[in-house]
Amino acid sequence: QIQLVQSGPELKKPGESLKISCKASGYTFTDYAMQWVKQAPGKGLQYMGWINTQTGKPTYADDFKERFVFSLETSASTAYLQINNLKNEDTATYFCARGPGVMDAWGQGASVTVSS
Amino acid sequence: DIVLTQSPVLAVSLGQRATISCRASQSVSISSINLMHWYQQKPGQQPKLLIYRASNLASGIPARFSGSGSGTDFTLTIDPVQADDIAAYYCQQSRESPTFGGGTKLELK
Repeated sequence: QIQLVQSGPELKKPGESLKISCKASGYTFTDYAMQWVKQAPGKGLQYMGWINTQTGKPTYADDFKERFVFSLETSASTAYLQINNLKNEDTATYFCARGPGVMDAWGQGASVTVSS
Repeated sequence: DIVLTQSPVLAVSLGQRATISCRASQSVSISSINLMHWYQQKPGQQPKLLIYRASNLASGIPARFSGSGSGTDFTLTIDPVQADDIAAYYCQQSRESPTFGGGTKLELK
């Protein structure tokens, strides 16, 4: 069955960096794009962008064009989200989701807490 | 960006019909294909796809869920509502760079 398994919770200080992984299984990784979605505590879903798993080209939503980097390790069927220079407002759960467009499979979410 | 507007809360009784609406700031349809999708999210869980392209039931989703609409106005209907349906529901468009509605929390009356 299709699965997206994300890395575990993170506790970081402002200014640090982190990298979240999303490992796909049950389908051909390069047949679908990978999308990223942010959910701040108690808030709704916010689209961050997507990465073309065939070419590696990322596309970022306007709010995520700085400090955020999407990448791939295709041989391991894994997508990554890196966040640099962490800020308190980056505290959220980050989801990967298979795409493009409609998101028909989701990772379980990776919780990130940024606090001094 | 296309802005999607949902009512924040809808209170319903078990066994009744729930109608959740989503209005887009501009059309999300291309050549009669309606690029609007619906998701359910329970607390502490990831979202789950319910309906894609406005009216198509995703795999494994019960037939009490249905979707309709075109252009800028879309509806998710749950009939009859069961206890397991108490959750937040989000619409999402993929006509342009994807955006989500603010979500509708379905509560028991």
